[in-house]
Parts: sequence; C-alpha cells; structure tokens
Amino acid sequence: QVQLVQSGAEVKKPGASVKVSCRASGYTFTSYPINWVRQAPGQGLEWMGWINPYNGNTMYDQKFQGRVTMTTDTSTSTAYMELRSLRSDDTAMYFCAGQIFGVILWGQGTLVTVSS
Amino acid sequence: SSELTQPPSVSVSPGQTARITCSGDALAKQYVNWHQQKPGQAPALVIYKDTERPSGIPERFSGSRSGTTVTLTISGVQAEDAADYYCQSGDSSVTSWLFGGGTKLTVL
Repeated sequence: QVQLVQSGAEVKKPGASVKVSCRASGYTFTSYPINWVRQAPGQGLEWMGWINPYNGNTMYDQKFQGRVTMTTDTSTSTAYMELRSLRSDDTAMYFCAGQIFGVILWGQGTLVTVSS
Repeated sequence: SSELTQPPSVSVSPGQTARITCSGDALAKQYVNWHQQKPGQAPALVIYKDTERPSGIPERFSGSRSGTTVTLTISGVQAEDAADYYCQSGDSSVTSWLFGGGTKLTVL
C-alpha cells in the first residue's frame, strides 16, 4: 500500500544538524512533491517546505531559509530534510507528507530533541 | 492575508453534531483539506477538496463551504472523534501550505 515511513528519533545538541528521512512506497516517487511539516510540543502544525522529486525543485518557508535543505534519492524513493544550527526551539515532531493520488498522506513522524 | 482562522475549541455531547469552521482570504481561490490528529499520532486526512471524503473515513464526516469559510461537520459525534482538527490549504500562489491553528474537539 501507499505509505511514507520516516527515520527514528534523534537527540541533538544546540548548533548541530539533523537529517530526517522519509521513504516512500506504493506509488511512483517522482510523481508527487514531498512536504515537510513540524509540530512543537503542544503546538500546531507548521509547514517548512516541499521538494519535487522529479526535478529536485524546492520551496522553503521564509522562516527556514538558509537553515534547511530538502533532497531526494530517487534510487531508494527517499526524501530527506536537513536542518542546521539547531536551537532548543527546534525540538519538535517532524512529518513528511505527500499529496498522492489527490489525497494527503502523512509519515508517522520523527521526534527531534535539541538539548545540551 | 495568508492566515487560516479556526476556533480553538469545540465541545459537544455524544450523538450531537460538531461544526468546526476555517476562514481566510486565501480560501477564495483554494480548496481546504481537513486533518484529524489524535494524541501521540500523526495527522490523518478526513476531508479533501472541501467536501470529498477519503476511503475509510466514516460518512458522519462531511465538509461544506460558504464563500471564504469552510466547515467540517461531524454528525452523530462519537467518543473516538475527540481530537485536534486542522484545516489546511495552499497560499494564493499555490506554492506553500497554510494551516489553521487547530481546533480541539472535546466529546463531553
């Protein structure tokens, strides 16, 4: 079936980087963009950006410009989101999501904890 | 404006009808999707393109629109429907996603 499976939880120190993966299956990976959304503890959903696996084009929310890079590996149908210069307020659950066959499907989420 | 506005909370008794609204200027040109999120879980789509229901979503979930206000209606609310609900759309240039602030549905 169509699914997005994310990598496991990460604990990072302030100033470090984290790279979260999202492996797609059940559909043609290059046909649909992958979005990244995060949710701080007790807060709402915050869109970070998207990547088009077909051509590598990206669009980032202005808030994350210069600190985030989204990439894909089409050979493994995997999308990646790297966030640099981590701060304590980057502690959040990070989700990938794709609008696949007209409906939005979510990954299970990856908890990133930033703590010294 | 690029914001979507939802009420922070809605409370209903089991069997009653819950209505959650989402409004914003961006909705004049964009469809709305509704996502349900239960504690400790990823969001899950319950309505897309304002009124469409994905397969597997109960018929008690429905969506409607009036101008730039879109409404998620849950008829005959059940205890299992208690969750946070987020509306989501695209911005006017269709290059990014917008989320409402979320509505906590409490089933009394």
